Amino acid sequence: KAGVTQTPRYLIKTRGQQVTLSCSPISGHRSVSWYQQTPGQGLQFLFEYFSETQRNKGNFPGRFSGRQFSNSRSEMNVSTLELGDSALYLCASSLPDIGELFFGEGSRLTVL
Amino acid sequence: AQSVTQPDIHITVSEGASLELRCNYSYGATPYLFWYVQSPGQGLQLLLKYFSGDTLVQGIKGFEAEFKRSQSSFNLRKPSVHWSDAAEYFCAVGAQDSNYQLIWGAGTKLIIKP
Repeated sequence: KAGVTQTPRYLIKTRGQQVTLSCSPISGHRSVSWYQQTPGQGLQFLFEYFSETQRNKGNFPGRFSGRQFSNSRSEMNVSTLELGDSALYLCASSLPDIGELFFGEGSRLTVL
Repeated sequence: AQSVTQPDIHITVSEGASLELRCNYSYGATPYLFWYVQSPGQGLQLLLKYFSGDTLVQGIKGFEAEFKRSQSSFNLRKPSVHWSDAAEYFCAVGAQDSNYQLIWGAGTKLIIKP
């Protein structure tokens, strides 16, 4: 069974640009969560999608958004990038109402 | 407020020595408990989980953890560490009544001395 796939793995952007990250969950998993990981802040929950609906949301500004498609694939978008958005963005999928997360390898974003 | 505390930011142990990583939580409901490991440049991998039943749970890579309700703890242990265990370890807690949304500890970085 294929794991969680995140693309791209690495990307470099400049301040003010926007970025879209993609996540393909494990087949059969309908819940997708996104996390931001930085050395200073650790793992920060961004949002969770289940059946194309945002079910939970963390404490991030509106520049961070996401969506989920009917095939459970998910994208997150960050607009008007700031230097502080440099981070590893992790996607995780799960079966509904289980709580056990399966993580991808992450997309490492560098904002210059 | 719900919280998870991993009191040790870094831990250094010699290869072959035993290991215990601490995790304490503050949670009103009956918790589901997890330990994840993250190797450098990688995503997180589930080591073990506790949902109910036997409070001593076995995981992958020779790890085990014990749920102690009276101490609100879920410490991770390994009798003999290997150099490949060098990684960052995260404790997480969730519950059914919070939509299984996990609360994460800050992580403990394990350094192995040769």
